[in-house]
Amino acid sequence: QVQLVESGGGLVKPGGSLRLSCATSGFTFSDYYMSWIRQAPGKGLEWISYISSSGNTIYYADSVKGRFTISRDNAMNSLFLQMNSLRAEDTAVYYCASSGMDVWGQGTTVTVSS
Amino acid sequence: DVVLTQTPLSSPVTLGQPASISCRSTQSLVHDDGNTYLSWLQQRPGQPPRLLIYKISNRFSGVPDRFSGSGAGTDFTLKISRVEAEDVGLYYCMQVTQFPVRYTFGQGTKLEIK
Repeated sequence: QVQLVESGGGLVKPGGSLRLSCATSGFTFSDYYMSWIRQAPGKGLEWISYISSSGNTIYYADSVKGRFTISRDNAMNSLFLQMNSLRAEDTAVYYCASSGMDVWGQGTTVTVSS
Repeated sequence: DVVLTQTPLSSPVTLGQPASISCRSTQSLVHDDGNTYLSWLQQRPGQPPRLLIYKISNRFSGVPDRFSGSGAGTDFTLKISRVEAEDVGLYYCMQVTQFPVRYTFGQGTKLEIK
Protein backbone atom coordinates (compact mmCIF):
# COMPACT_ATOMS: atom_id res chain seq x y z
CA GLN A 1 0.00 0.00 0.00
CA VAL A 2 1.45 3.32 -1.09
CA GLN A 3 1.75 5.73 1.81
CA LEU A 4 3.13 9.23 2.32
CA VAL A 5 3.35 10.63 5.85
CA GLU A 6 4.38 14.23 6.48
CA SER A 7 5.79 15.48 9.76
CA GLY A 8 7.65 18.45 11.19
CA GLY A 9 4.97 21.09 11.13
CA GLY A 10 4.27 23.40 14.04
CA LEU A 11 4.11 26.95 15.30
CA VAL A 12 7.07 29.16 14.46
CA LYS A 13 7.76 32.89 14.74
CA PRO A 14 8.23 35.05 11.66
CA GLY A 15 11.79 34.73 10.45
CA GLY A 16 12.13 31.28 11.93
CA SER A 17 12.82 27.91 10.32
CA LEU A 18 11.22 24.48 10.09
CA ARG A 19 12.15 21.24 8.37
CA LEU A 20 9.34 19.12 7.01
CA SER A 21 9.72 15.42 6.27
CA CYS A 22 7.71 13.06 4.11
CA ALA A 23 8.23 9.37 4.85
CA THR A 24 7.17 7.07 2.06
CA SER A 25 6.43 3.38 1.75
CA GLY A 26 4.81 0.90 -0.59
CA PHE A 27 6.58 1.96 -3.77
CA THR A 28 10.10 2.36 -5.17
CA PHE A 29 10.70 5.91 -3.98
CA SER A 30 13.89 6.35 -5.98
CA ASP A 31 11.95 5.91 -9.24
CA TYR A 32 9.59 8.82 -8.67
CA TYR A 33 9.79 12.60 -8.81
CA MET A 34 8.09 14.34 -5.92
CA SER A 35 6.51 17.66 -5.08
CA TRP A 36 5.48 19.78 -2.12
CA ILE A 37 2.15 21.58 -2.31
CA ARG A 38 0.56 23.81 0.30
CA GLN A 39 -2.92 25.03 1.12
CA ALA A 40 -3.42 28.18 3.18
CA PRO A 41 -6.46 28.20 5.50
CA GLY A 42 -9.63 28.37 3.42
CA LYS A 43 -7.65 28.76 0.21
CA GLY A 44 -6.77 26.68 -2.82
CA LEU A 45 -3.76 24.55 -3.67
CA GLU A 46 -0.34 26.05 -4.40
CA TRP A 47 2.54 24.00 -5.80
CA ILE A 48 5.80 25.10 -4.19
CA SER A 49 8.58 22.71 -5.18
CA TYR A 50 9.56 19.72 -7.36
CA ILE A 51 12.50 17.33 -7.21
CA SER A 52 13.44 14.72 -9.77
CA SER A 53 13.88 11.06 -8.88
CA SER A 54 17.64 11.42 -8.58
CA GLY A 55 17.46 14.79 -6.84
CA ASN A 56 19.51 16.44 -9.58
CA THR A 57 16.70 18.63 -10.92
CA ILE A 58 14.83 20.98 -8.62
CA TYR A 59 12.30 23.73 -9.19
CA TYR A 60 10.58 26.22 -6.88
CA ALA A 61 7.62 28.53 -7.06
CA ASP A 62 8.63 32.18 -7.00
CA SER A 63 6.88 32.60 -3.66
CA VAL A 64 9.43 30.38 -1.87
CA LYS A 65 12.53 30.57 -4.05
CA GLY A 66 15.60 31.48 -2.01
CA ARG A 67 13.91 30.61 1.29
CA PHE A 68 12.88 26.95 0.92
CA THR A 69 15.07 23.98 -0.04
CA ILE A 70 13.74 20.64 -1.21
CA SER A 71 15.83 17.50 -0.87
CA ARG A 72 15.45 13.74 -0.74
CA ASP A 73 17.19 10.68 0.69
CA ASN A 74 16.47 7.74 -1.58
CA ALA A 75 18.12 5.31 0.83
CA MET A 76 15.68 6.43 3.53
CA ASN A 77 12.68 6.74 1.17
CA SER A 78 12.16 10.27 2.43
CA LEU A 79 11.50 13.74 1.08
CA PHE A 80 12.33 16.96 2.92
CA LEU A 81 11.52 20.65 2.83
CA GLN A 82 13.77 23.06 4.70
CA MET A 83 11.88 26.30 5.25
CA ASN A 84 13.81 29.40 6.31
CA SER A 85 12.85 33.05 6.76
CA LEU A 86 9.25 32.05 7.34
CA ARG A 87 6.50 34.61 6.90
CA ALA A 88 2.90 34.79 8.05
CA GLU A 89 1.80 34.05 4.49
CA ASP A 90 3.58 30.68 4.66
CA THR A 91 0.93 29.49 7.13
CA ALA A 92 -0.66 26.48 5.47
CA VAL A 93 -1.10 22.74 5.40
CA TYR A 94 1.88 21.29 3.56
CA TYR A 95 1.42 18.16 1.48
CA CYS A 96 3.93 15.94 -0.24
CA ALA A 97 2.76 14.20 -3.39
CA SER A 98 4.30 11.72 -5.77
CA SER A 99 4.75 11.89 -9.52
CA GLY A 100 1.77 13.42 -11.28
CA MET A 101 0.06 14.15 -7.98
CA ASP A 102 -1.33 10.62 -7.94
CA VAL A 103 -0.67 9.99 -4.26
CA TRP A 104 -0.82 12.58 -1.46
CA GLY A 105 0.04 12.53 2.20
CA GLN A 106 -2.37 13.72 4.89
CA GLY A 107 -0.46 16.97 5.31
CA THR A 108 1.32 18.74 8.15
CA THR A 109 0.28 22.16 9.45
CA VAL A 110 2.70 25.07 9.59
CA THR A 111 1.66 28.21 11.47
CA VAL A 112 3.85 31.30 11.33
CA SER A 113 2.84 33.76 14.01
CA SER A 114 4.38 35.86 16.72
CA ASP B 1 2.53 31.89 -16.69
CA VAL B 2 -0.44 29.62 -17.25
CA VAL B 3 -3.60 30.59 -15.37
CA LEU B 4 -6.47 28.13 -14.97
CA THR B 5 -9.96 29.53 -14.44
CA GLN B 6 -12.71 27.26 -13.20
CA THR B 7 -16.44 27.84 -13.53
CA PRO B 8 -18.63 27.73 -11.63
CA LEU B 9 -16.94 28.36 -8.28
CA SER B 10 -19.91 26.82 -6.52
CA SER B 11 -22.25 24.14 -7.82
CA PRO B 12 -25.34 23.08 -5.86
CA VAL B 13 -26.56 19.80 -7.34
CA THR B 14 -29.45 17.47 -6.59
CA LEU B 15 -28.47 13.90 -5.70
CA GLY B 16 -28.63 11.68 -8.76
CA GLN B 17 -28.36 14.61 -11.16
CA PRO B 18 -25.34 15.40 -13.35
CA ALA B 19 -22.73 18.04 -12.59
CA SER B 20 -20.21 19.75 -14.81
CA ILE B 21 -17.16 21.89 -14.06
CA SER B 22 -15.25 23.87 -16.65
CA CYS B 23 -11.54 24.72 -16.61
CA ARG B 24 -10.13 27.22 -19.07
CA SER B 25 -6.43 27.89 -19.58
CA THR B 26 -4.82 31.14 -20.71
CA GLN B 27 -2.71 29.17 -23.17
CA SER B 28 -2.71 25.80 -24.90
CA LEU B 29 -1.75 22.93 -22.61
CA VAL B 30 -0.50 20.70 -25.42
CA HIS B 31 3.12 19.74 -24.74
CA ASP B 32 5.83 19.15 -27.33
CA ASP B 33 5.35 15.40 -26.82
CA GLY B 34 1.76 15.76 -27.99
CA ASN B 35 0.27 15.06 -24.58
CA THR B 36 -1.93 17.43 -22.59
CA TYR B 37 -1.18 17.18 -18.88
CA LEU B 38 -4.48 18.42 -17.51
CA SER B 39 -5.71 16.65 -14.40
CA TRP B 40 -8.66 16.88 -12.06
CA LEU B 41 -8.45 16.41 -8.30
CA GLN B 42 -11.12 16.02 -5.64
CA GLN B 43 -10.76 17.23 -2.07
CA ARG B 44 -13.40 16.00 0.33
CA PRO B 45 -13.90 18.03 3.52
CA GLY B 46 -10.99 17.54 5.91
CA GLN B 47 -9.13 15.30 3.48
CA PRO B 48 -6.08 15.74 1.24
CA PRO B 49 -6.66 16.06 -2.48
CA ARG B 50 -7.11 12.90 -4.52
CA LEU B 51 -6.35 12.43 -8.21
CA LEU B 52 -9.45 11.68 -10.29
CA ILE B 53 -8.49 12.25 -13.91
CA TYR B 54 -5.14 12.66 -15.66
CA LYS B 55 -4.22 13.67 -19.23
CA ILE B 56 -7.69 15.12 -19.81
CA SER B 57 -9.76 11.97 -19.75
CA ASN B 58 -8.00 9.06 -18.04
CA ARG B 59 -9.57 7.92 -14.79
CA PHE B 60 -7.08 7.16 -12.05
CA SER B 61 -7.17 3.80 -10.31
CA GLY B 62 -10.28 3.27 -8.20
CA VAL B 63 -12.17 6.31 -9.53
CA PRO B 64 -15.83 5.53 -10.27
CA ASP B 65 -16.86 5.66 -13.91
CA ARG B 66 -19.45 8.34 -13.19
CA PHE B 67 -16.49 10.75 -13.38
CA SER B 68 -15.31 11.70 -16.85
CA GLY B 69 -13.03 14.31 -18.34
CA SER B 70 -12.97 15.87 -21.76
CA GLY B 71 -11.60 18.81 -23.68
CA ALA B 72 -8.61 19.94 -25.68
CA GLY B 73 -6.22 22.84 -26.06
CA THR B 74 -7.44 25.42 -23.56
CA ASP B 75 -10.91 24.21 -22.57
CA PHE B 76 -11.61 21.23 -20.36
CA THR B 77 -14.57 19.78 -18.51
CA LEU B 78 -15.10 17.41 -15.62
CA LYS B 79 -18.48 15.71 -15.58
CA ILE B 80 -20.17 13.64 -12.92
CA SER B 81 -22.98 11.66 -14.49
CA ARG B 82 -25.00 11.14 -11.29
CA VAL B 83 -23.90 12.99 -8.17
CA GLU B 84 -23.69 10.97 -4.96
CA ALA B 85 -23.40 12.28 -1.41
CA GLU B 86 -19.72 11.27 -1.23
CA ASP B 87 -18.93 13.60 -4.14
CA VAL B 88 -19.34 16.70 -1.96
CA GLY B 89 -16.15 18.72 -1.77
CA LEU B 90 -13.78 20.85 -3.78
CA TYR B 91 -12.66 20.05 -7.30
CA TYR B 92 -9.47 21.42 -8.84
CA CYS B 93 -8.11 21.29 -12.32
CA MET B 94 -4.32 21.17 -12.54
CA GLN B 95 -1.73 21.46 -15.27
CA VAL B 96 2.02 21.04 -15.44
CA THR B 97 4.48 22.83 -17.67
CA GLN B 98 7.94 21.43 -18.29
CA PHE B 99 11.38 23.02 -18.54
CA PRO B 100 10.99 24.55 -16.02
CA VAL B 101 8.49 22.38 -14.17
CA ARG B 102 5.57 24.40 -12.87
CA TYR B 103 2.27 23.05 -11.60
CA THR B 104 -0.77 25.32 -11.67
CA PHE B 105 -4.12 24.73 -10.04
CA GLY B 106 -7.47 26.24 -10.77
CA GLN B 107 -9.08 28.14 -7.94
CA GLY B 108 -11.38 25.26 -7.07
CA THR B 109 -15.10 24.54 -7.46
CA LYS B 110 -17.22 23.67 -4.45
CA LEU B 111 -19.72 20.90 -5.15
CA GLU B 112 -22.57 20.76 -2.68
CA ILE B 113 -25.91 19.02 -2.46
CA LYS B 114 -29.07 21.09 -2.81
